[in-house]
Amino acid sequence: DTAVSQTPKYLVTQMGNDKSIKCEQNLGHDTMYWYKQDSKKFLKIMFSYNNKELIINETVPNRFSPKSPDKAHLNLHINSLELGDSAVYFCASSQDQGGYTQYFGPGTRLTVL
Amino acid sequence: AQSVTQPDIHITVSEGASLELRCNYSYGATPYLFWYVQSPGQGLQLLLKYFSGDTLVQGIKGFEAEFKRSQSSFNLRKPSVHWSDAAEYFCAVEGYGQNFVFGPGTRLSVLP
Repeated sequence: DTAVSQTPKYLVTQMGNDKSIKCEQNLGHDTMYWYKQDSKKFLKIMFSYNNKELIINETVPNRFSPKSPDKAHLNLHINSLELGDSAVYFCASSQDQGGYTQYFGPGTRLTVL
Repeated sequence: AQSVTQPDIHITVSEGASLELRCNYSYGATPYLFWYVQSPGQGLQLLLKYFSGDTLVQGIKGFEAEFKRSQSSFNLRKPSVHWSDAAEYFCAVEGYGQNFVFGPGTRLSVLP
């Protein structure tokens, strides 16, 4: 059983398109996150949700919007994709905030052409 | 806000040799401290974490880390490296009520 799953694993698309990446966790956790890992392996938190409420919203472009239909899911929707959006996006979850272990999904490699 | 530095971008060691990966943080108090490992093409996995108490923390896969408040450091160590340890290692900090911040990572290569 996969604890944190993401789909798709790879996503290749044209500039200007809108795409979504799905994330699901079966750990019963209350907090979920989205991270972006650039080509230099630098990881930066984008969003986190705790009990379906956005609690961290980093200074990412508003083209990126997290959507959480329920506690087990946090999807990432991206509008008007740009070349600079190409990266690996990781979903993660933790029991709560404040020092809890984060469990990561396998990542989604997004390539914008 | 907290920050994390990992001074070594890339380290190469021989299999069986000892390993130390450096991590320094900046924060007004003692944050939560973590080490994660990312194998090629994979997500991140927690190796160990420090909250309070004993400053020497044991983790999985034979790793340990020592918190040194005076040096604002949380270095990762392993006495004998295995070829399967080749990966990217990330130190991370989380201040109270603050964001979770990763360091830039250290890539470990292991020579046979």
